[in-house]
Amino acid sequence: TQLLEQSPQFLSIQEGENLTVYCNSSSVFSSLQWYRQEPGEGPVLLVTVVTGGEVKKLKRLTFQFGDARKDSSLHITAAQPGDTGLYLCAGERTNFGNEKLTFGTGTRLTIIP
Amino acid sequence: KAGVTQTPRYLIKTRGQQVTLSCSPISGHRSVSWYQQTPGQGLQFLFEYFSETQRNKGNFPGRFSGRQFSNSRSEMNVSTLELGDSALYLCASSQARYTEAFFGQGTRLTVV
Repeated sequence: TQLLEQSPQFLSIQEGENLTVYCNSSSVFSSLQWYRQEPGEGPVLLVTVVTGGEVKKLKRLTFQFGDARKDSSLHITAAQPGDTGLYLCAGERTNFGNEKLTFGTGTRLTIIP
Repeated sequence: KAGVTQTPRYLIKTRGQQVTLSCSPISGHRSVSWYQQTPGQGLQFLFEYFSETQRNKGNFPGRFSGRQFSNSRSEMNVSTLELGDSALYLCASSQARYTEAFFGQGTRLTVV
């Protein structure tokens, strides 16, 4: 059973459209990170959210951490082809569990020019 | 500041052989974690090293092992390779145990 479920698994939209990717869990995380990974490369950290209800903006990307720190969302406004990639959320539980970072199932995003 | 460096980038091995992968973390980072990424299973945690000690271990068989040196560089070893070990192996470094992780480009291992 995956601890962090991401939806949708695949998303293909036209350039200029908006989209939201979700990352959900039944577990509480002390922090949550979002990464983007391109083919053949390692994941690149986009943002870390720590406080329940926190909202962070990175240009056209808006990240939100749920109030209960169990879920997160990534919203992209006016998507561009350069946004194409695999988006991964990863939760950190510093108080228990073997895994330092638990990764989500991933959302593969394709922006069509 | 140089990023995380993993070597080699690509590797082809035969079933039954063993392999050693290397990871040089960002200068000053003391924590190194290893992950296996496959299309079917996604990113799976292998182990974490901090100050030359293994701190956490994922659910992988004993064929997977690792170590960390005094300069924080880390190696992971897979013995008796199986076809299912074909994957992208990623290394991530952090300044401390529970801080942001920065990934290397990975080593693509193919077992034939």
